[in-house]
Amino acid sequence: DTGVSQDPRHKITKRGQNVTFRCDPISEHNRLYWYRQTLGQGPEFLTYFQNEAQLEKSRLLSDRFSAERPKGSFSTLEIQRTEQGDSAMYLCASSLRGGFNTEAFFGQGTRLTVV
Amino acid sequence: GESVGLHLPTLSVQEGDNSIINCAYSNSASDYFIWYKQESGKGPQFIIDIRSNMDKRQGQRVTVLLNKTVKHLSLQIAATQPGDSAVYFCAENMKTSYDKVIFGPGTSLSVIP
Repeated sequence: DTGVSQDPRHKITKRGQNVTFRCDPISEHNRLYWYRQTLGQGPEFLTYFQNEAQLEKSRLLSDRFSAERPKGSFSTLEIQRTEQGDSAMYLCASSLRGGFNTEAFFGQGTRLTVV
Repeated sequence: GESVGLHLPTLSVQEGDNSIINCAYSNSASDYFIWYKQESGKGPQFIIDIRSNMDKRQGQRVTVLLNKTVKHLSLQIAATQPGDSAVYFCAENMKTSYDKVIFGPGTSLSVIP
């Protein structure tokens, strides 16, 4: 297994366009997390899934953002009508289970630039 | 509200010396703390964790110290190596939501050969 995989690695889009990112977690990891990271800051929690169920969403996740994990494996994060403020690194992580002492493994992220 | 922050945004250390990275948190309900290392162009990587019922935990070349009285966390790296150069984040969880990790802003560690 090669770890958490994210696609694309980089995305440049015009303001107002929709974008979709994909995350493939480590096999058999039932927890999947999305974070957003801006330059010089720590990652900010966006949402997480247990299998296909989306269990928590941050207030950062406006109605322009939607995440899915339809079969409990890969996940997609869509941003509609992108704004310049959406420019950031979008990180995905997965873990075998939830709770204390469960290590989350991060992907390399998708860097979004909205022009 | 919840917040995790760092005292120093940058730290330069001579190779072979010990490094200490500090972190302050404000939420007394925080129950679990994690240190992550993030190299350029990569996602954060777990280093070591500690639960609030502990004061100290040691790993390979790393030690985390937790002082709940002053809500302070530190990461000590022994015999710092060039490969340790990265941004280090402390992060916290609360019992009510172990799946929601709150990260601090990060400290950039540069190791001088």
